Amino acid sequence: EAEVAQSPRYKITEKSQAVAFWCDPISGHATLYWYRQILGQGPELLVQFQDESVVDDSQLPKDRFSAERLKGVDSTLKIQPAELGDSAMYLCASTLGNTGELFFGEGSRLTVL
Amino acid sequence: QQQVKQSPQSLIVQKGGISIINCAYENTAFDYFPWYQQFPGKGPALLIAIRPDVSEKKEGRFTISFNKSAKQFSLHIMDSQPGDSATYFCAASIGGSTLGRLYFGRGTQLTVWP
Repeated sequence: EAEVAQSPRYKITEKSQAVAFWCDPISGHATLYWYRQILGQGPELLVQFQDESVVDDSQLPKDRFSAERLKGVDSTLKIQPAELGDSAMYLCASTLGNTGELFFGEGSRLTVL
Repeated sequence: QQQVKQSPQSLIVQKGGISIINCAYENTAFDYFPWYQQFPGKGPALLIAIRPDVSEKKEGRFTISFNKSAKQFSLHIMDSQPGDSATYFCAASIGGSTLGRLYFGRGTQLTVWP
């Protein structure tokens, strides 16, 4: 069964360091999302891509976060510098189209010390 | 501001019982309401979803009840099983699909005792 792949699964870093997360969506899925899930809360959208174009990044803290999907396939989310409040699960998801189902990866758990 | 409010925060049910989780929303532009199930260490997975043109949707032991006038919707899990123990999230989006932003509730941690 096709899955959304994410790496690393776990990342521990110190405050002010740079971190990066990688996502490979299900093959053929044009729409890709990065969500952030703080412990005990629901996921919140950070950025949405349609192919290589950003559709929605209104909630992305652009002073420290950046995201790219250069060839419209895999994507990278970067945080620089990391802050204590960035500790969370970073979830990548993809969808084929207007089918109603979003497929999530297993997430990358970030701990900032 | 929480766009979708979910309750209860946690729920304990005996095996074979009915689990009920409720959600409420204010934005009348929402027109797609999915429920996601999340196990520890895993990403959320779509369980069942409803659009506002119907008041109920059933898939196996899982039923969504939707009350458009009250702006509320709920998930009912019949004959709850220990394997149903997970965190459940309601969500809502505009545009009738998941192509846009999904607004999630805070989640309900369900524990089903054997």
